[in-house]
Amino acid sequence: NAGVTQTPKFQVLKTGQSMTLQCAQDMNHEYMSWYRQDPGMGLRLIHYSVGAGITDQGEVPNGYNVSRSTTEDFPLRLLSAAPSQTSVYFCASSSTQFNEKLFFGSGTQLSVL
Amino acid sequence: AQTVTQSQPEMSVQEAETVTLSCTYDTSESDYYLFWYKQPPSRQMILVIRQEAYKQQNATENRFSVNFQKAAKSFSLKISDSQLGDAAMYFCAYRSLETSGSRLTFGEGTQLTVNP
Repeated sequence: NAGVTQTPKFQVLKTGQSMTLQCAQDMNHEYMSWYRQDPGMGLRLIHYSVGAGITDQGEVPNGYNVSRSTTEDFPLRLLSAAPSQTSVYFCASSSTQFNEKLFFGSGTQLSVL
Repeated sequence: AQTVTQSQPEMSVQEAETVTLSCTYDTSESDYYLFWYKQPPSRQMILVIRQEAYKQQNATENRFSVNFQKAAKSFSLKISDSQLGDAAMYFCAYRSLETSGSRLTFGEGTQLTVNP
């Protein structure tokens, strides 16, 4: 059972480039979410999804897009990367939005130069 | 909106001794969850312990226990018999039961060092 899988683990981008951070879970979880972790600020919610076809914004959504076409996958898109998006990104899932137990991926370290 | 504050950026403890990490939060809600997560250098987020606000009894998980003071909005983590493997960043987190999205609000984190 792989749990929550994030790819890539590390990525370096130049300002203005676009990329997609991948997140997949094999637990048939309805709820998936993206957080970013910055030094001294803990983790902050970017976007979340309570099921296929349903997404909503979190605390810091600007500069990021998401979609949820399948239950398993929840990609995070950066359309035009900025240095302020340098961070560690975590994907997390739970069986439903009402289940308090979140399963986290291992994170993606993103640097934007 | 809820806020979570961890006022100790760094803490250290001798192996086998006890350490307490502090966390305070601000909310107008009456029902919620509180969590402590551990993040070792591997970056993995590991759930250490959770507390349901409606339960007065403090949660315990082996060497980890909490002191939950609902009126004071305080949620400290006590680690007994500290081990080298306890060295990590620890995050306190709040989860509302009154808003959708299962979102967690995290504190800033406390870096714990365990000295042999």
